[in-house]
Order: sequence, then structure tokens, then C-alpha cells
Amino acid sequence: DGGITQSPKYLFRKEGQNVTLSCEQNLNHDAMYWYRQDPGQGLRLIYYSQIVNDFQKGDIAEGYSVSREKKESFPLTVTSAQKNPTAFYLCASSITSGRAEEQFFGPGTRLTVL
Amino acid sequence: GDSVTQMEGPVTLSEEAFLTINCTYTATGYPSLFWYVQYPGEGLQLLLKATKADDKGSNKGFEATYRKETTSFHLEKGSVQVSDSAVYFCALSDLGKGAQKLVFGQGTRLTINP
Repeated sequence: DGGITQSPKYLFRKEGQNVTLSCEQNLNHDAMYWYRQDPGQGLRLIYYSQIVNDFQKGDIAEGYSVSREKKESFPLTVTSAQKNPTAFYLCASSITSGRAEEQFFGPGTRLTVL
Repeated sequence: GDSVTQMEGPVTLSEEAFLTINCTYTATGYPSLFWYVQYPGEGLQLLLKATKADDKGSNKGFEATYRKETTSFHLEKGSVQVSDSAVYFCALSDLGKGAQKLVFGQGTRLTINP
């Protein structure tokens, strides 16, 4: 089955530690995205990538980093510089980065900082 | 910048009731508009979309019409079911730097009682 997988489903981190969230897609999509979801709020864009080896900052990129070395993979690192990292993180992909393209979402990773 | 405002929830209805969830937007260009749905513990799924003024998106009994004159994209369903219980997000596409960025509303939690 084609789709997007995110791992792990739940992640706990101590303050001051970096942590990497995995996102893999087998849909052969060019574009991939990372969003953050906080309770009672909509999703906010962290980073996006239109093509391999290229990515751009979204609206809330501070304290996060990404890489796009393979088309299928777009891992997100939450660094110790992120002041309030506890949230639900969603990865998405789309065929291209065009205006009306549907974005397909993974099941999410819930990160809790202890 | 572009923004989306949704009707505040939570919304609780009885089965077979009529549903309206309001969504209005502000945008400088001509965005595409989307409704996404999030079932408990899952990522988002596209419910419907409209790409230009007066377009009507429809799926699974849900409908929404792109109203440029009122900058609205209200979601409606004539007869809701218990299985429609979820969080609904209105979103618009913003072509920043040539790539699609989705701007989301805060979400509306819908609960349908049997």
C-alpha cells in the first residue's frame, strides 16, 4: 500500500536533547512538508521541500532542521534551541508543489519534552 | 499575510441533523481552498477542494462553495452520521516562492450523538 509513514508514534525527550522524527513516503511525490499541531490550533508549517537536496523554511522554522537526501525521506530534527517542542508533528507530501495539489498526511508523531 | 478563520467549536449535533461549519479567509491572490478532516489519533485527509471562484467541492455528502465575494468556504452536510465525528480544518493554498504552502484554520471539533 502506498502512503506516508512516521515513526515513532510517541516520543519522549529530556530538555537539552536533540531528537529526529522520521518521515518516509512511497508515493513517488516530489514535495514534502513538516507541520506542527498544538491543541486548539491549526497546523503551522515548519519546513518544506520541493525536490531532493532542496528545502525552505516555513513559518516556524526556528529550532528545527531538516534534510532531503532521498526523494522518499524527509527527517525532521527538533533541536535543543526549540523553546517549546511538545506538540504533535505531521509530515505530508504532494505530487508537486503546485497550487491545487492535495497533500497526503502521515499519522503523526507526538513529542513530549520531560 | 494570508489567514483562515473557522467557526469555533466544539460542535455537537444529533444524528441526521444539518451541519454547517463556517470558514472565511483573507488572501492577497487567488488561493485554492480545502477542507481536511482528522479522525482521532490520525493524520489529516483531504475531504474536498475548490480551485476557483464559484467552484463547488463535494465528497461523502459534504459540500462547500468557493465564494469570492464573501471570502468564504463554508462546509455543509444535509444529514450527519456518528462516523462524521472528527476535527475539520479549512485551509487555503499560498504559493510562496513558487511552492504550495497550506494555511490552516484552527480546526472545529464535531461530535455526532446517536
